[in-house]
Amino acid sequence: NAGVTQTPKFQVLKTGQSMTLQCAQDMNHEYMSWYRQDPGMGLRLIHYSVGAGITDQGEVPNGYNVSRSTTEDFPLRLLSAAPSQTSVYFCASSYEGLGLGDEQFFGPGTRLTVL
Amino acid sequence: RKEVEQDPGPFNVPEGATVAFNCTYSNSASQSFFWYRQDCRKEPKLLMSVYSSGNEDGRFTAQLNRASQYISLLIRDSKLSDSATYLCVVNMNRDDKIIFGKGTRLHILP
Repeated sequence: NAGVTQTPKFQVLKTGQSMTLQCAQDMNHEYMSWYRQDPGMGLRLIHYSVGAGITDQGEVPNGYNVSRSTTEDFPLRLLSAAPSQTSVYFCASSYEGLGLGDEQFFGPGTRLTVL
Repeated sequence: RKEVEQDPGPFNVPEGATVAFNCTYSNSASQSFFWYRQDCRKEPKLLMSVYSSGNEDGRFTAQLNRASQYISLLIRDSKLSDSATYLCVVNMNRDDKIIFGKGTRLHILP
């Protein structure tokens, strides 16, 4: 199993550009989520999905869109990049949410810089 | 009160010592609690779940205090390799939202 994969690993964008961060998992997990991690801020939930066709907003959803057309893939779209979106982005998956003992598996992260 | 709070540290601890840190949470209905470890510039990885009765995994002990709404992590006989950031994670039991604390940095000194 590859686990959770994310592409790209690094990305530099100009303000106003759009792009999609890719996330895929091969563990047949229902629950997937996107976080951003900024210095001193910890991990903040952007969007999450409890299954194919179902998505919901987290703490900081503005400026991001997601879709979940398959169980495996959960792309994150930046509609019009802003310098405030410079961050490290982590995708995570778990079997069915975070019940007791339900481990979240994280991808290696995407380091995004918006100029 | 913030939903999940941790002392950011850093905790500078000599090798072989015991160290403990806490994490407080605001939602009394929270059901699931975890400690994750994150190494510098790496992704978080599960260290251990926290059970109501407390649980131990080798040198690591996790406890839950529902009355005071905090969880704790105790590391005994600390090793240099324990140097990392420890993240407290709480399932708020509300719309399946999972909240991470900002983390506690631990430096084990030789």
